[in-house]
This record gives sequence, C-alpha cells and structure tokens, in this order.
Amino acid sequence: ETGVTQSPTHLIKTRGQQVTLRCSSQSGHNTVSWYQQALGQGPQFIFQYYREEENGRGNFPPRFSGLQFPNYSSELNVNALELDDSALYLCASSLGLRADTQYFGPGTRLTVL
Amino acid sequence: KNEVEQSPQNLTAQEGEFITINCSYSVGISALHWLQQHPGGGIVSLFMLSSGKKKHGRLIATINIQEKHSSLHITASHPRDSAVYICAAWNNNDMRFGAGTRLTVKP
Repeated sequence: ETGVTQSPTHLIKTRGQQVTLRCSSQSGHNTVSWYQQALGQGPQFIFQYYREEENGRGNFPPRFSGLQFPNYSSELNVNALELDDSALYLCASSLGLRADTQYFGPGTRLTVL
Repeated sequence: KNEVEQSPQNLTAQEGEFITINCSYSVGISALHWLQQHPGGGIVSLFMLSSGKKKHGRLIATINIQEKHSSLHITASHPRDSAVYICAAWNNNDMRFGAGTRLTVKP
C-alpha cells in the first residue's frame, strides 16, 4: 500500500453532470498529479499541483479543474461530463517536483452514461 | 507518430529470461519515468531518470539523452513480473506516456 487514497472507488454519472474526485496524498508529500486512463490505453497527464499551485497541465479542456489544499490533499473536478470522460482517474503524490518516485492511488473508475 | 514510443507492445517470456523493454521519445525531456501497472489498474512508479542508469533489485533502467532512448531491463524474470510497463516523459510541465508493453512471464 502506498498511503495514497482516492474516493470514491467507483462512480456512475450521466452526461452533463459534474463530478468531484478526491485524493489524499501520502503523508508529507507536497506534490500531486492527476491522470486519466481510458480502458485499454495508457494514462494521460491531466495536471500537477505543487504546494497548492498548478505546476503543469496536459491537453485537457478547462472543464477539468483541480485544487490542492493546505494539507496537500487534492480534488479533481470535471464539469459538463461527456461519454468520453469514462475512465480510471489516478492520482499520484510525491515529495517535491524532482522526486524519484511517485506513489499512485488505486484510482476512481468513472462511468458516464 | 506518438511522442513516446514503446517496443515491443507485447512480450512473452519464460521464467528466468532476461527482459528488455525499449522507449524512444521525440520531445526534449527533463525526466523519464518507468511505471508498472498490474491487472486491476494499480500503478507502481519504478524509476525516474534524467541521465545514466539506475538499479533496484532485478530491475535496471538506462537512458541515453543524446539518442532519446531508454530501456528497462528485468533480470531473472519471474511470473510476478507480469504486468504492463509504461514509460512517460516529463517535459515543460507536461507528461506524455507511451502506450505500454504488456509482459507475460510463464513459469
């Protein structure tokens, strides 16, 4: 176990709805990254937060937004859900931007109907 | 053409064999990651490399910055090594992933 937890484990939403996914970092880790992994594909980088500020962003539209809190836990928000948003959403925490290792959570599987 | 290419896509080996998985990238990078994903989705970060070579147990990762190429080697492979291995290039605050190599090690 990595110490990174995500909630919920599974979620079913309908098109147009909004969703919030949560990630609790490993203790002391100040950096969190979010990834989307569609079925049968490799992960895609959504964004990274370092000390509550967005540090980098992949090719995702603005309806994907995030937050990192003072305790370094994090949220991923997706507005106006589309069918293609159905995927496994993974978060990973690390200590600093140049850390050798990211610790991944188990993921949240989102299904959009 | 993907910015991060892995080969082979699928690999089947007998227990004990030496395994090599390759990753080539076309973007400039500040670091390259090797990840292991088991069935069910759990991902483990194996290495982060910006130069040279790293070793952890039976796993060795190398990177050649000039050639934009990295390899992941597994010595004395074991069925528990069966997983998808993914390389990912970190560049300009963005990370690009390879499609993964599915490794099956048979007893």
